[in-house]
Amino acid sequence: AQTVTQSQPEMSVQEAETVTLSCTYDTSESDYYLFWYKQPPSRQMILVIRQEAYKQQNATENRFSVNFQKAAKSFSLKISDSQLGDAAMYFCAYRRSGDMRFGAGTRLTVKP
Amino acid sequence: GAVVSQHPSRVICKSGTSVKIECRSLDFQATTMFWYRQFPKQSLMLMATSNEGSKATYEQGVEKDKFLINHASLTLSTLTVTSAHPEDSSFYICSAREDRGNSPLHFGNGTRLTVT
Repeated sequence: AQTVTQSQPEMSVQEAETVTLSCTYDTSESDYYLFWYKQPPSRQMILVIRQEAYKQQNATENRFSVNFQKAAKSFSLKISDSQLGDAAMYFCAYRRSGDMRFGAGTRLTVKP
Repeated sequence: GAVVSQHPSRVICKSGTSVKIECRSLDFQATTMFWYRQFPKQSLMLMATSNEGSKATYEQGVEKDKFLINHASLTLSTLTVTSAHPEDSSFYICSAREDRGNSPLHFGNGTRLTVT
């Protein structure tokens, strides 16, 4: 079974600084998808960024980028120029072809 | 972008009663939808996969007779919590994937269920 591990229950960053959230996963598949979702207090799940495993190039979305290390099964999220609105729970997720499996989450606090 | 509507957003019910939660894909067809449960300060745990026109697939430990899933059309899946108990109080989130390629999952806004 696929598992997703987020080893940082909580992280804190100063506004305008950069923070990296860690994620590792376990799979025997070679073709899959990885995601980072943000969940603010409203509980809405917001897609931050996605990565196809067959792509070597790391995905980027404005201030958000990933460091995808397929051999190491690592998928970290870097948030640059952190903003107060970035404060939320962040979930790393894995999907092969059907359902999505989530890590335990990392609560990000942004200090003004 | 694709939108998933989940209703109701909040519901309070008494022990022993049943509650139905609806999940609709508003602008796309979804043969498959997923139901997740999230307890406070925890992650989303997959409960079941809802398949249009066929029986749902339940994750280990999830009682299929308690959590009834009906996926009667390509845009609607329902989750009914039968004979609810206080321990069923949780946040329930549905998601749907467009029936094309490798599209991501789109999530509803969730339903906060409180059983008194």
